[in-house]
Amino acid sequence: DTGVSQDPRHKITKRGQNVTFRCDPISEHNRLYWYRQTLGQGPEFLTYFQNEAQLEKSRLLSDRFSAERPKGSFSTLEIQRTEQGDSAMYLCASSYVGVGGETQYFGPGTRLLVL
Amino acid sequence: KQEVTQIPAALSVPEGENLVLNCSFTDSAIYNLQWFRQDPGKGLTSLLLIQSSQREQTSGRLNASLDKSSGRSTLYIAASQPGDSATYLCAVRPFNSGGSNYKLTFGKGTLLTVNP
Repeated sequence: DTGVSQDPRHKITKRGQNVTFRCDPISEHNRLYWYRQTLGQGPEFLTYFQNEAQLEKSRLLSDRFSAERPKGSFSTLEIQRTEQGDSAMYLCASSYVGVGGETQYFGPGTRLLVL
Repeated sequence: KQEVTQIPAALSVPEGENLVLNCSFTDSAIYNLQWFRQDPGKGLTSLLLIQSSQREQTSGRLNASLDKSSGRSTLYIAASQPGDSATYLCAVRPFNSGGSNYKLTFGKGTLLTVNP
């Protein structure tokens, strides 16, 4: 169990550019979540996958955001035409639903700065 | 809509002191409540998870309690150490059969500083 990993850890981009983040969940975890955290705030839910199916998207996720989880393994989050308001920490979490319930395990996050 | 509030927003204590962090939530229909720790610029580390049927959970120097009916949880840290300095976040998972019962709603956190 190597934990949830995210890549890159930091990204600086210019407004209008596209960026893509990757999340590798804990192996055999069937659920994967994306959250966004701005300075001084708690994480906010963005979207959720059960295996490869994207089951819900928050209204925070505008049309410029797209997430995929091909084959139910790693996931990518792409932001097109970035805006300064997209600057935040993007957190990925994975979980396995078992007899004892569900605990979400978070990755280290990708910190995005849009100039 | 569930709202989670954490008080105080920041706390500074001398090493060795016992302390309590507070979390309140507006909708008592929760599945569980989880306390996380976040170091500066890092991801979240799960500390304790309390199911809605439980009253408390303990791990080492940490004890979390849950009073679902009043919408409150506390995180008690005994004999605080400088290494405990971090932001502590509380999150609740809703209880509903409609399907969206997996989203965590977080508070803004309490920034704890333990001075040596």
